[in-house]
Amino acid sequence: EAAVTQSPRSKVAVTGGKVTLSCHQTNNHDYMYWYRQDTGHGLRLIHYSYVADSTEKGDIPDGYKASRPSQENFSLILELASLSQTAVYFCASSDGTGYEQYFGPGTRLTVL
Amino acid sequence: SQWGEENLQALSIQEGEDVTMNCSYKTYTTVVHWYRQDSGRGPALIILIRSNEREKRSGRLRATLDTSSQSSSLSITAAQCEDTAVYFCATAPGNTRKLIFGLGTTLQVQP
Repeated sequence: EAAVTQSPRSKVAVTGGKVTLSCHQTNNHDYMYWYRQDTGHGLRLIHYSYVADSTEKGDIPDGYKASRPSQENFSLILELASLSQTAVYFCASSDGTGYEQYFGPGTRLTVL
Repeated sequence: SQWGEENLQALSIQEGEDVTMNCSYKTYTTVVHWYRQDSGRGPALIILIRSNEREKRSGRLRATLDTSSQSSSLSITAAQCEDTAVYFCATAPGNTRKLIFGLGTTLQVQP
């Protein structure tokens, strides 16, 4: 079965600090995605990647960077965390043939 | 926004009842996804319907797609308590792999 794991599962960060969220998949999928979920906004795409060492901007990339060092790993980096980035972050993966995305369990980030 | 206003709502029904959730979208797509999200977990795909399918069934789930009105619906027959979740529709405009999610429908099934 598809497996996407995220770490940490929960994090409290200070405003202006650097935060790195990690995602690991064992699906052998080429595509990986980062979403954020806020109450009343559903899920919104931040960054995605279709191959290692390459990332693309999603719909709300401002304030975020992404890194895809290998097919299995995809990180989301907040260089200067802000209060508005408090949200739940989900990583997902998909293969190159179908449309289904497999989601991780999420990381709850609170910026104080 | 990609989505119409009816995409955000909360429904509470009794076990055994049927329920239908609707969503409308603004950008051309050839496939609509329906995802389910249980509390504290990531979304999971439950049914996917393509533009050449007006209806798709999977167990107690039934999805419809009307490309002329750019709308889709998800119906659950004889809902059970374990159907309690948030249900999202999502599209991949222009056949890209970038999903755009609707705001979701929170479904509560009471015993």
